[in-house]
Amino acid sequence: AQKVTQAQTEISVVEKEDVTLDCVYETRDTTYYLFWYKQPPSGELVFLIRRNSFDEQNEISGRYSWNFQKSTSSFNFTITASQVVDSAVYFCALSGNSGYSTLTFGKGTMLLVSP
Amino acid sequence: DAGITQSPRYKITETGRQVTLMCHQTWSHSYMFWYRQDLGHGLRLIYYSAAADITDKGEVPDGYVVSRSKTENFPLTLESATRSQTSVYFCASSESGGSNQPQHFGDGTRLSIL
Repeated sequence: AQKVTQAQTEISVVEKEDVTLDCVYETRDTTYYLFWYKQPPSGELVFLIRRNSFDEQNEISGRYSWNFQKSTSSFNFTITASQVVDSAVYFCALSGNSGYSTLTFGKGTMLLVSP
Repeated sequence: DAGITQSPRYKITETGRQVTLMCHQTWSHSYMFWYRQDLGHGLRLIYYSAAADITDKGEVPDGYVVSRSKTENFPLTLESATRSQTSVYFCASSESGGSNQPQHFGDGTRLSIL
């Protein structure tokens, strides 16, 4: 069975601080994909990034960066110089090689960025 | 505007009533999904559909019925609503069934059952 753990339920930071959201996963599949989604206070779910299990290169997109480490089964998400607009619930999700693209979600981390 | 739309955005109903949540996508995506989001549980899959007339159960299907007569629509019906079904419901779609495909979500339906 697949499992995604986001141990941090809630994180509070002050604007301009860097913050890292942790994601640890479990799967028996050799090929799998990891995703991050953002859910702002307005409630919609926004796709941020996808990473496959064969690509361990870190990825940077503006203030966002993702660190994938297969050795520790982790796919952490860092926001540099956080802003109030980053306040949201962030979900990590896993899709395995089981023939269809169902996602297993973590329980989410609520990030509160105060001015 | 193209995308995935859910209706209604908010719904209040009483226990025992039937309620249908609508989902419509304009991308012609093959796969569609229904999730429920509850505090402490994250998102859990209720049902999914690989194509028109093909549906399958997810993690928490009890008390729900789905249909997919057309590719673009995937309604979710609570045949006899219970208070435990109070939740936020999200519909999603993906281009294909490959595990690399990101799912794109609607804005959600907040359902309260009194």
